[in-house]
Amino acid sequence: ELKVEQNPLFLSMQEGKNYTIYCNYSTTSDRLYWYRQDPGKSLESLFVLLSNGAVKQEGRLMASLDTKARLSTLHITAAVHDLSATYFCAVDTSGTYKYIFGTGTRLKVLA
Amino acid sequence: DTGVSQDPRHKITKRGQNVTFRCDPISEHNRLYWYRQTLGQGPEFLTYFQNEAQLEKSRLLSDRFSAERPKGSFSTLEIQRTEQGDSAMYLCASSFSRGPGAFFGQGTRLTVV
Repeated sequence: ELKVEQNPLFLSMQEGKNYTIYCNYSTTSDRLYWYRQDPGKSLESLFVLLSNGAVKQEGRLMASLDTKARLSTLHITAAVHDLSATYFCAVDTSGTYKYIFGTGTRLKVLA
Repeated sequence: DTGVSQDPRHKITKRGQNVTFRCDPISEHNRLYWYRQTLGQGPEFLTYFQNEAQLEKSRLLSDRFSAERPKGSFSTLEIQRTEQGDSAMYLCASSFSRGPGAFFGQGTRLTVV
């Protein structure tokens, strides 16, 4: 059974600091997605990573994928309060967008 | 609005009652998905359609749950004889067969009392 694990589960960080969220998964896949969720809201697509070595950047967030290590990272640069949310990675092993989501990382950026 | 639309946004029901949720996908998308999300957890896949055909159902989808997409456009998810354990956010998503991934609706939050 495919497992997707994120760490940390909770992250409290000061504004201006850098940090990385890790997403490990247990079976072969070259399709990984990052989503953001605000409390009580739906999921907002952040990044789509479709090959080994893929790197995508948007603003203060950068995501990468290492399919050999079965690892994706979401790096936060110079965090700001507006980045406070829960971040999910999701793995698609069949190409059908039937996602297996990670446990989520709840990020709180303190002013 | 061209996003995925779900109705209702919130539903409170008594245990044992039936409930039905509706999802209107992005109009060009041929695939539609249902997920369930409980508090503090990631969404869990329930089922998906390609056009009107239901192609896969998770074992999480007990026989009290049924989903339809009769004309390949909107979809409904019905839960019969609701139980307190059914309380969750039910998320709908849609996509092309190939493309930039799935887009999620705002969800329907179900509370069974």
